[in-house]
Amino acid sequence: DADVTQTPRNRITKTGKRIMLECSQTKGHDRMYWYRQDPGLGLRLIYYSFDVKDINKGEISDGYSVSRQAQAKFSLSLESAIPNQTALYFCATSGHSNQPQHFGDGTRLSIL
Amino acid sequence: RKEVEQDPGPFNVPEGATVAFNCTYSNSASQSFFWYRQDCRKEPKLLMSVYSSGNEDGRFTAQLNRASQYISLLIRDSKLSDSATYLCVTPKPDYGGSQGNLIFGKGTKLSVKP
Repeated sequence: DADVTQTPRNRITKTGKRIMLECSQTKGHDRMYWYRQDPGLGLRLIYYSFDVKDINKGEISDGYSVSRQAQAKFSLSLESAIPNQTALYFCATSGHSNQPQHFGDGTRLSIL
Repeated sequence: RKEVEQDPGPFNVPEGATVAFNCTYSNSASQSFFWYRQDCRKEPKLLMSVYSSGNEDGRFTAQLNRASQYISLLIRDSKLSDSATYLCVTPKPDYGGSQGNLIFGKGTKLSVKP
């Protein structure tokens, strides 16, 4: 079983819809992250959480919100999806600073 | 100067070749480094961690030069399956609360041909 699991793997939806992407991990890590990746732009950090009561904005948080339901679960919401949020979304986890992050398989999101 | 900078490539090499990528970083306080590989439309996967002067794992060798602020990745005896984008990554040495967040290079694309 994957250590970092994202659901759904693929999603096509319409402009204005509310969407939730979920991430769960079995690594026991405190830190969790949400990224988006667009062709030619690399990975960009949306939100991150260093523990259950800690939520922080990344470089591109506008239009997104998150919830850290438990140490193992971190969900990303698009309250009212727009086409330029079409991207590949990754969840990641890490133990401490100076440690690498481990990524989920990604969610391919298309907004029409 | 960008925080982490990589030659985007693509590097097109024949099977069996040795290829090296360089990555430069701007913050001299950076302590550790990671090389990830990413296949097209897949998640980044950790290839190697570097906490001191270098690391070696089979055909892959990473070397860190702190004086010149660059880290290299050497791949020997290239395989077709090595074709991917290689990301140079370092934790952000920021004492304002985001310490540990990763800074990603934009990646170097490698294509190994038969």
